Amino acid sequence: EAGVAQSPRYKIIEKRQSVAFWCNPISGHATLYWYQQILGQGPKLLIQFQNNGVVDDSQLPKDRFSAERLKGVDSTLKIQPAKLEDSAVYLCASSRWWEQRPGNTIYFGEGSWLTVV
Amino acid sequence: DAKTTQPPSMDCAEGRAANLPCNHSTISGNEYVYWYRQIHSQGPQYIIHGLKNNETNEMASLIITEDRKSSTLILPHATLRDTAVYYCIGILLGNQFYFGTGTSLTVIP
Repeated sequence: EAGVAQSPRYKIIEKRQSVAFWCNPISGHATLYWYQQILGQGPKLLIQFQNNGVVDDSQLPKDRFSAERLKGVDSTLKIQPAKLEDSAVYLCASSRWWEQRPGNTIYFGEGSWLTVV
Repeated sequence: DAKTTQPPSMDCAEGRAANLPCNHSTISGNEYVYWYRQIHSQGPQYIIHGLKNNETNEMASLIITEDRKSSTLILPHATLRDTAVYYCIGILLGNQFYFGTGTSLTVIP
């Protein structure tokens, strides 16, 4: 079974520029997550999708971050304009179901490393 | 939210068992305890999860106390490749994982 795919793996941009990250979840997984991980900290949930609908985006800085999952499969996370403090790893993850039940596990991709200079 | 508390770092000799503790005193009765680990430059990797009973799989064992206020992840024979940050996650709210800062495990040759 293929894992969660993310691209690009690494990105360096100047502040005030824009960047987009792409994620393809595990086949058949209805729930997709975007996490932000700043160096030395645990991952922080930014947004959660159930199919193509947003379940929770309370931690997403909506003035500069946006995310979509148009057909309920792939997802894109965009930052515009980027700030220095956005330097982090952006992790995409997916799970088969939204609710907690036995066997429901979240699987993570390798992450997209963003450096804003 | 059920808050988890883990020691910031631990060492373990190669070949010995690594026992990683986690306190989750406010966990509710229907919340699972999940463990993930993150090796440098990689995404978090699922290890194991449990509700009440002890669990074992090919990677590790999970011991949950009877009152469910704490748990221990056991790596029976640690190898150098087990050096990573280990996260104990004590809440699933709509399946949203909230990570703490984890325990940085160093396996020493």
